[in-house]
Amino acid sequence: TQLLEQSPQFLSIQEGENLTVYCNSSSVFSSLQWYRQEPGEGPVLLVTVVTGGEVKKLKRLTFQFGDARKDSSLHITAAQPGDTGLYLCAGEEGYQKVTFGTGTKLQVIP
Amino acid sequence: KAGVTQTPRYLIKTRGQQVTLSCSPISGHRSVSWYQQTPGQGLQFLFEYFSETQRNKGNFPGRFSGRQFSNSRSEMNVSTLELGDSALYLCASSSLIDAEAFFGQGTRLTVV
Repeated sequence: TQLLEQSPQFLSIQEGENLTVYCNSSSVFSSLQWYRQEPGEGPVLLVTVVTGGEVKKLKRLTFQFGDARKDSSLHITAAQPGDTGLYLCAGEEGYQKVTFGTGTKLQVIP
Repeated sequence: KAGVTQTPRYLIKTRGQQVTLSCSPISGHRSVSWYQQTPGQGLQFLFEYFSETQRNKGNFPGRFSGRQFSNSRSEMNVSTLELGDSALYLCASSSLIDAEAFFGQGTRLTVV
C-alpha cells in the first residue's frame, strides 16, 4: 500500500484568509478524490480529478492534479468558518483500490 | 436516493466481548469497503467486498472479519475486543463505474 502524505497536518487561520493543502505520493494514481469530514461524521466527497494537470473549481475551492498524477493540491480562497473540517485526499491505484491520505485538519476562526 | 446507512451510530462494549456493525450501501452499489478511523492512525482500510466476495484486505488481525449479503448489505465483526479497537468505523459504497466512495456516518465504538 502506497502512502499519501498530506501537508500541513494542522492549519488554523482567520476567516477571509487563503490557504493551500497538499497531497503527495511517489505513486501514480489513475484518479484522486478530495473529501471533507466533520467531527462525528463520515467523509463527504468534494471532487474527483482524473487527468494530469487537471484543475477543477468548486465555488471558493480549487483542486489541481499534478501533471505526473502523483500529487494534488486544494486551494481555498477567502476561507469561512463553514470550511472547518478534516480534508482527506484519496488516490486510486488500481481497480477500485483506494488509499487515503494522512489528512489535514483545518480550523477557520471567525 | 438514500445514502449509506450504518447502524448503530454509537456502541459501548467491554473488553473481550464481540461486536457486529451493519452497513447498507446506496441502492445499486455492489462494492462495500470498511475503514477504521482513529486520531493517531487516521483512516485505515479494513476490507472490501464485492458481490459477496472479499476482494481486498488491509493489515488487521483476524479478529476483524466481515461479510456481504446478496442484497449488498454488509456486516463487520470484531471479536475479543481490545481497548485499542475504540474508533470510528466507516463504511463506504461505490459503483462499478468509478472509485468514488460514498461514506456512511460511521459507528462510534468505545471499548471499556
